[in-house]
Amino acid sequence: DVKVTQSSRYLVKRTGEKVFLECVQDMDHENMFWYRQDPGLGLRLIYFSYDVKMKEKGDIPEGYSVSREKKERFSLILESASTNQTSMYLCATGLSDTQYFGPGTRLTVL
Amino acid sequence: GENVEQHPSTLSVQEGDSAVIKCTYSDSASNYFPWYKQELGKGPQLIIDIRSNVGEKKDQRIAVTLNKTAKHFSLHITETQPEDSAVYFCAASFTGGGNKLTFGTGTQLKVEL
Repeated sequence: DVKVTQSSRYLVKRTGEKVFLECVQDMDHENMFWYRQDPGLGLRLIYFSYDVKMKEKGDIPEGYSVSREKKERFSLILESASTNQTSMYLCATGLSDTQYFGPGTRLTVL
Repeated sequence: GENVEQHPSTLSVQEGDSAVIKCTYSDSASNYFPWYKQELGKGPQLIIDIRSNVGEKKDQRIAVTLNKTAKHFSLHITETQPEDSAVYFCAASFTGGGNKLTFGTGTQLKVEL
């Protein structure tokens, strides 16, 4: 079974803080993705990576950056957290078309 | 870019009835259409997928149909059970598009006893 783990299930941060969300996969997949999920909006792609040190912008990259130093780890960074970044963040890993998701991190920015 | 619309946003059925969720997509180049189920407090889980060279695919009580001409695809769940209650997402992508999925907005399915 594919296992995707995310560093925290729940996180509370203050406006202006730098926030790191970590994602680790154990399947040696090349593709990794970060989404945010908001009610009524579905899942929206923030950034993705198809190889170590490679990154591509998704549909809503503003206010976020990513890092992929090792194949199994993909980090999402909020440089200066804002209240409109309060959301559920989902990491996914993929081989070809199919994507496998982690349990998500619910981030609240106060 | 691709746009995926999903209906209905909520669906309530009696246990044992069938449930149908419909999605339309805009990009005729899309050729891969997965469906995900998300239970409360969990990440989405792939339950079935279909590629554009196939019109229908079945897996026990779940089936997906694809109409490429009309650019729509549907999820059919028969003999619904309480454990089918969840949020369902459709998605679309095309080979060569970086394996990026575009998701619909989700359907909250409630199966009532």
